[in-house]
Amino acid sequence: DVKVTQSSRYLVKRTGEKVFLECVQDMDHENMFWYRQDPGLGLRLIYFSYDVKMKEKGDIPEGYSVSREKKERFSLILESASTNQTSMYLCASSFRPPSYNEQFFGPGTRLTVL
Amino acid sequence: QQPVQSPQAVILREGEDAVINCSSSKALYSVHWYRQKHGEAPVFLMILLKGGEQKGHEKISASFNEKKQQSSLYLTASQLSYSGTYFCGTVPNNNAGNMLTFGGGTRLMVKP
Repeated sequence: DVKVTQSSRYLVKRTGEKVFLECVQDMDHENMFWYRQDPGLGLRLIYFSYDVKMKEKGDIPEGYSVSREKKERFSLILESASTNQTSMYLCASSFRPPSYNEQFFGPGTRLTVL
Repeated sequence: QQPVQSPQAVILREGEDAVINCSSSKALYSVHWYRQKHGEAPVFLMILLKGGEQKGHEKISASFNEKKQQSSLYLTASQLSYSGTYFCGTVPNNNAGNMLTFGGGTRLMVKP
């Protein structure tokens, strides 16, 4: 069974803390994605990786960075968390190209920044 | 720029039909549809490609009007299990190898 897992379902952090969100997929997908989901705004792409060590900015990359050292693992980093980064974060993966292939989503991490 | 979905929300009785629309300001290469049930991850429904090809594995139909730059998802004889939020994702024609931009979602509630 196809799987995308995320390190935490719920996370509470303080303003200014460095936050790591991890995502692992077991489908040998080339592409991995990090989205942010807020009510009424749908899914907004933060960063996208099409290969190990390769990344591209999405629509809202400010305040975030990513790391992909292994094909199956994609990490999202909040260098200095702020309250406006309180949100649901979803990881996804797919085969290339993303325009033609379905994405498989993880269960999400609900992050609260106090 | 995000595609625009309409309606934002709809309530149905079991057995009724619904149409969810997704409109873009750009010429499109493909449109993707996903459903997210409350508290769960989004799940793939269908991909519609320029030229008429479709990929999907559920009994839900959709159309893609390239000229109008829009897609519609048709939910017929709705069941309680259809409840959730539906998202369309679009890929513009000039960036066919690239990632999706998702709409804001349409919340569908099916009541007994």
